[in-house]
Amino acid sequence: GAVVSQHPSRVICKSGTSVKIECRSLDFQATTMFWYRQFPKKSLMLMATSNEGSKATYEQGVEKDKFLINHASLTLSTLTVTSAHPEDSSFYICSARVREYGYTFGSGTRLTVV
Amino acid sequence: GEDVEQSLFLSVREGDSSVINCTYTDSSSTYLYWYKQEPGAGLQLLTYIFSNMDMKQDQRLTVLLNKKDKHLSLRIADTQTGDSAIYFCAEKNSGYSTLTFGKGTMLLVSP
Repeated sequence: GAVVSQHPSRVICKSGTSVKIECRSLDFQATTMFWYRQFPKKSLMLMATSNEGSKATYEQGVEKDKFLINHASLTLSTLTVTSAHPEDSSFYICSARVREYGYTFGSGTRLTVV
Repeated sequence: GEDVEQSLFLSVREGDSSVINCTYTDSSSTYLYWYKQEPGAGLQLLTYIFSNMDMKQDQRLTVLLNKKDKHLSLRIADTQTGDSAIYFCAEKNSGYSTLTFGKGTMLLVSP
C-alpha cells in the first residue's frame, strides 16, 4: 500500500534554532501533501497544503514565514520550523492523498523546543 | 464551517463490542473515514464509507452511516487490548481536498 515516511520521529531543539521535518512518499507520487499539527487531547489542525512545484497554501492563522514548506519533488515535502519557540512544541504529521478517497499519514514528529 | 463531533472517551472490557459515534454537519460530505492513532504514532486508516452507502463491514469493523441524521458509527467486535487507541472520525467534502477531523475518541480496553 501507499506509504509515507516521516522523519525525524522525535526532535529536541533549542529556542531560536530551526528544525526541518521531512515527509517522503515511498511507492507513489504525491502531488499534494498536507501538514497537520496536533495539540494534546485535540484534533489535528491543518496547517498548510503543499503542492509540488508551487507555493504552499497556508490556513488562516498559520505564519508562512515561520513554517516554511517546500515540495520540490513528487516524493518529498519538507516543513521547516524557523526560530523555534517552546510554544511550537507539538506533534506534527504529514499526509498525502493517495487516490480520490484515500489519505495516508506519516508516523508523526514530536518536536520539543527547550 | 464544517464540524465533526465525537465523544471523547470510551471504556470497554476485552471481548465486548465497542461503538464509537460521530456526528457531522456538512451535508455535502462524500467520504467519511475512521482513523486509529496509537500513542506517539501517525494516523492509520481503518476504513471509510462513501456517502451513498449505509453500512460497510470489514472483519471486526462495522461502519454505519445515517445520512439523514449525519451520524456515523464504528463498531469493533470482540474488542482487544490492542485496540486501545484514539479513533478519529473525518469527513471529506467534494469541494475540498482536505479532511475535517473530529477531536478523537480515546478507547480504553481493559482485560
